[in-house]
Amino acid sequence: DGGITQSPKYLFRKEGQNVTLSCEQNLNHDAMYWYRQDPGQGLRLIYYSQIVNDFQKGDIAEGYSVSREKKESFPLTVTSAQKNPTAFYLCASSVGQGNTEAFFGQGTRLTVV
Amino acid sequence: AQSVSQHNHHVILSEAASLELGCNYSYGGTVNLFWYVQYPGQHLQLLLKYFSGDPLVKGIKGFEAEFIKSKFSFNLRKPSVQWSDTAEYFCAVRGKNAGNMLTFGGGTRLMVKP
Repeated sequence: DGGITQSPKYLFRKEGQNVTLSCEQNLNHDAMYWYRQDPGQGLRLIYYSQIVNDFQKGDIAEGYSVSREKKESFPLTVTSAQKNPTAFYLCASSVGQGNTEAFFGQGTRLTVV
Repeated sequence: AQSVSQHNHHVILSEAASLELGCNYSYGGTVNLFWYVQYPGQHLQLLLKYFSGDPLVKGIKGFEAEFIKSKFSFNLRKPSVQWSDTAEYFCAVRGKNAGNMLTFGGGTRLMVKP
């Protein structure tokens, strides 16, 4: 099946630890995105990548890092510098240039205790 | 920078009532516009999209939206809601000269009472 896979679905970490969220797509999409969803705040863009080995900061990039070494993969690291990391994280991808919509994964709920 | 504003955070309707959810965006150039829906416990799904042409676009499940360029708006409508429409709705914009940056509004949580 083609789609976007985020793993794990639930993740628990101790405060002060870095944690990496996985996002893999087999849609052959060039563009990939990471969003954070908090109640009442919608989806806020953390990072996005238009092509392999390239990525740009979104609106709330502080405390996060990404890499895009392969077209299929766009992992997000939540660092200890992120002051409020507990949230629902969504990964998406789209074809790239041109008129196209984004497709979303199932999300990862991160809880930092 | 582009941004999206959804004015209604929570909407409660009875079945068969008409629905209109507001969405305004700020971006000076050509845009792609989207409405996504998130049913309880499910992932985000595309309801409808506008790229160009007819400003009135029809989506799945009887939803439609109208792009009014002069008002920078893309409001979502449905003539008669059902209990199964209970969900959170998100408006999104992609500015054509803003790379592939896709920006979402704050969402509107709709509850339809049976």
